[in-house]
Amino acid sequence: DTGVSQDPRHKITKRGQNVTFRCDPISEHNRLYWYRQTLGQGPEFLTYFQNEAQLEKSRLLSDRFSAERPKGSFSTLEIQRTEQGDSAMYLCASSLLRVADRLTNTGELFFGEGSRLTVL
Amino acid sequence: ELKVEQNPLFLSMQEGKNYTIYCNYSTTSDRLYWYRQDPGKSLESLFVLLSNGAVKQEGRLMASLDTKARLSTLHITAAVHDLSATYFCAALWSAGGTSYGKLTFGQGTILTVHP
Repeated sequence: DTGVSQDPRHKITKRGQNVTFRCDPISEHNRLYWYRQTLGQGPEFLTYFQNEAQLEKSRLLSDRFSAERPKGSFSTLEIQRTEQGDSAMYLCASSLLRVADRLTNTGELFFGEGSRLTVL
Repeated sequence: ELKVEQNPLFLSMQEGKNYTIYCNYSTTSDRLYWYRQDPGKSLESLFVLLSNGAVKQEGRLMASLDTKARLSTLHITAAVHDLSATYFCAALWSAGGTSYGKLTFGQGTILTVHP
C-alpha cells in the first residue's frame, strides 16, 4: 500500500520522558504536515514541510516539540519532557504541490492512521 | 487568522431523513474540504471544492461551496446507519487560486443515524 504510514500507532509513556513519532508520506508527495487531535476536537495544525524545508510552525509547537524531514522523505516529530497535556492523537498528512500547476493544485491532504500518545 | 466553524456539533437523525451540516469560515478561501472520521480512525477525504458554486455528490452526500458567503454545506439525503461518523470541514487560506499552506479544521459534527 502506498498511503501515509505512521509509527508507532500507540505510545504510552511516563511524564518527563521523550517520545519520537515517525511518518512516511505518500512517495511522490513533497508536502508533509503534522496535526494534533484531542478527543472531541478537530485536528490542530502543528507544522509542515515542503521537501526538507520547514515552512511554518504553529504557536502550539512549544520548545519541547521538534520536527524534522532531513531528506525530504520521512519525517520525525519528537516531544521532549512529555507532559500529561501532550496526550493526543498525532496525525501526519501529505500532499503534492506542483509549482507549475499552482493554480490547479487541490491542496488535498491525505492522512495517516495517527500515533496515539498517552502520558501517565 | 482563518477560523472555521461548523454547526450543528451534534446531529441525531433517523434513517431516511435529510439534513444539512453548515461550515462557515472567516477569511478568504476558495478551497474547502470535507473529511469523515470514524471512532479511533484517521480522516478520510470526502470532497474537495475548488471554486465558488462548486457542487459535488457521492452517494447520499452532497457538498457545495459559496465563497461569497464563506459557507459550505454538506447535505445528507435519506440517511442510513453507515453514515454515522464525525464530519469535518477544513478551509485552505487562499485567494485567486494561490494557496498558502495548511488546512484549518472545524470542530467537527458528530452524526448519529438511528433506525
